[in-house]
Amino acid sequence: NAGVIQTPRHKVTGKGQEATLWCEPISGHSAVFWYRQTIVQGLEFLTYFRNQAPIDDSGMPKERFSAQMPNQSHSTLKIQSTQPQDSAVYLCASSSDTYEQYFGPGTRLTVL
Amino acid sequence: GDQVEQSPSALSLHEGTGSALRCNFTTTMRAVQWFQQNSRGSLINLFYLASGTKENGRLKSTFNSKESYSTLHIRDAQLEDSGTYFCAASMATGGNNKLTFGQGTVLSVIP
Repeated sequence: NAGVIQTPRHKVTGKGQEATLWCEPISGHSAVFWYRQTIVQGLEFLTYFRNQAPIDDSGMPKERFSAQMPNQSHSTLKIQSTQPQDSAVYLCASSSDTYEQYFGPGTRLTVL
Repeated sequence: GDQVEQSPSALSLHEGTGSALRCNFTTTMRAVQWFQQNSRGSLINLFYLASGTKENGRLKSTFNSKESYSTLHIRDAQLEDSGTYFCAASMATGGNNKLTFGQGTVLSVIP
């Protein structure tokens, strides 16, 4: 079991560019979660899917951020017109019906 | 306000000693997870508890949902235990499984 896979591990973008982050959950897991970690805010929830359906996006910034789960094997988090304050480590987690979440290694996004 | 209050924020232990980390919850939580974040930033699962106590090697964790707290005990600390420890909990109401994290405890184990 490879665990949760996130790509890329590091991404550097210029201000105003678009960034797409990818997550492959553990095979058989029905739920996928996105979190963001910064020094100032700590670890904060963004959004989650269950059986590919969006369940809660209450943590997502209302503008520029969107997430999708087109199939059970991957989810994407897209940030349009990136800003320096979007710089963070973006973490994806998945869980089965037992609810315990397992995290990927994260994508470190740096917006210059 | 913050729903998960973790303490202490930092802790230094000499090798072979032990201590406890604590998380207090300001709302009723359904379950708690404890993680160690290593030097590469990966979150390593330590415990998942819906109630009671679990033990794994030198670590033991308790979750008391009625009194709204969870603890992580470390005994016989080793150098490799250094890192940042997080508790995270999911709310009991609403059926939502998203995790709310504590602020973390930076543990330094000293030779």
